[in-house]
Amino acid sequence: EIVLTQSPATLSLSPGERATLSCRASQSVTTYLAWYQQRPGQAPRLLIYDASNRATGIPARFSGSGSGTDFTLTISSLEPEDFAVYYCQHRINWPQTFGQGTKVEVK
Amino acid sequence: EVQLVESGGGLVQPGGSLTLSCAASGFTFSKFWMSWVRQAPGKGLEWVANIKEDGSAKYYVDSVKGRFTISRDNAENSLFLQMNSLRVEDTAVYYCARDEGGKDYWGQGTLVTVSS
Repeated sequence: EIVLTQSPATLSLSPGERATLSCRASQSVTTYLAWYQQRPGQAPRLLIYDASNRATGIPARFSGSGSGTDFTLTISSLEPEDFAVYYCQHRINWPQTFGQGTKVEVK
Repeated sequence: EVQLVESGGGLVQPGGSLTLSCAASGFTFSKFWMSWVRQAPGKGLEWVANIKEDGSAKYYVDSVKGRFTISRDNAENSLFLQMNSLRVEDTAVYYCARDEGGKDYWGQGTLVTVSS
């Protein structure tokens, strides 16, 4: 089973600041990595698939990078609605594990 | 508009059974892999199972193997999760999701509570 480790667990930032979230895989997932946003009481929403492709309707302030075992989700300038929990997930094999999540909170 | 609507959740005793359903609309259901993902109260996301377009391949997380069965009815645009021998630790919101790159569409979830 591939373990995805996200860091930091919590990121305290102010609106307008840049957020950098990390996801590290225990073995290579090539570029088969996705990022999701989950707001309280809502279902997750796909942000990025295959490491760097924005999903339909996702604002350009969200970007993904990386390959192999190290991946980054960057939010260039935080909007109020971006304060949420973010998860990474791979799909290179089964089980398709998720990371434990990074909470982006208001500082 | 793509829509996924789960149903079938509820309260069940340990050792009991429950079947979840997910009604899909707004896309050609038979052309997509589908998944079930769950989230225990206050916890993170856990992938549970997924199924190939024609139902010929199915995969499960180890903790549910032998207890849960994923299936689909392409004629009825529906996805199912049959859950047997339920445990307290299966308590969660269960989401169905479409697999396309990532999981690009999700339902609103249905709550399963396993408790005596």
